[in-house]
Amino acid sequence: DTAVSQTPKYLVTQMGNDKSIKCEQNLGHDTMYWYKQDSKKFLKIMFSYNNKELIINETVPNRFSPKSPDKAHLNLHINSLELGDSAVYFCASSQPGGVYNEQFFGPGTRLTVL
Amino acid sequence: AQTVTQSQPEMSVQEAETVTLSCTYDTSESDYYLFWYKQPPSRQMILVIRQEAYKQQNATENRFSVNFQKAAKSFSLKISDSQLGDAAMYFCACMNRDDKIIFGKGTRLHILP
Repeated sequence: DTAVSQTPKYLVTQMGNDKSIKCEQNLGHDTMYWYKQDSKKFLKIMFSYNNKELIINETVPNRFSPKSPDKAHLNLHINSLELGDSAVYFCASSQPGGVYNEQFFGPGTRLTVL
Repeated sequence: AQTVTQSQPEMSVQEAETVTLSCTYDTSESDYYLFWYKQPPSRQMILVIRQEAYKQQNATENRFSVNFQKAAKSFSLKISDSQLGDAAMYFCACMNRDDKIIFGKGTRLHILP
């Protein structure tokens, strides 16, 4: 049973296109996140949703729009893709409260913009 | 399988003192990355420090440094001159070349004034 899943795993597209990455978690968590992995391999937060409500919105171009239809899903839509958007995008989820605030990560989506 | 173990669920340190957070990992990869992330109450992961496995020199970032022992698969984080703002959950993580990332369970760090 996959805890946090992302589709697609790989996405290759042309500059200027609009694309979406889907994320689903079956852990019953209230909070979900999108991270972008930069060229040095570390993860940088983009967005965070708690129970479908946006709680973190870092400085991200407004071409990126997260959508949470329910608390188990957090999709990332990207308009007018640019070369610099090429990266691996990770979705994660966590449950607030408790001693540990462990985040569970999806497998990542490698986006390549040509 | 890749694993990351943080054996200290909670630690406390006096302000201005030095504290070391432990992390051990296991991976069959020869090329990988190690990270320490800080998680404030707002819950997102913020990178503290990063180490590439092929580099022998220990990474440092201001008051944060690591002791990377590749043979022992140990990657501890040292925080010098601890400040109140350092209080958070700290997660150790290992990422392989395929971008598969595994996090430890975290260590909650308390800073005592």
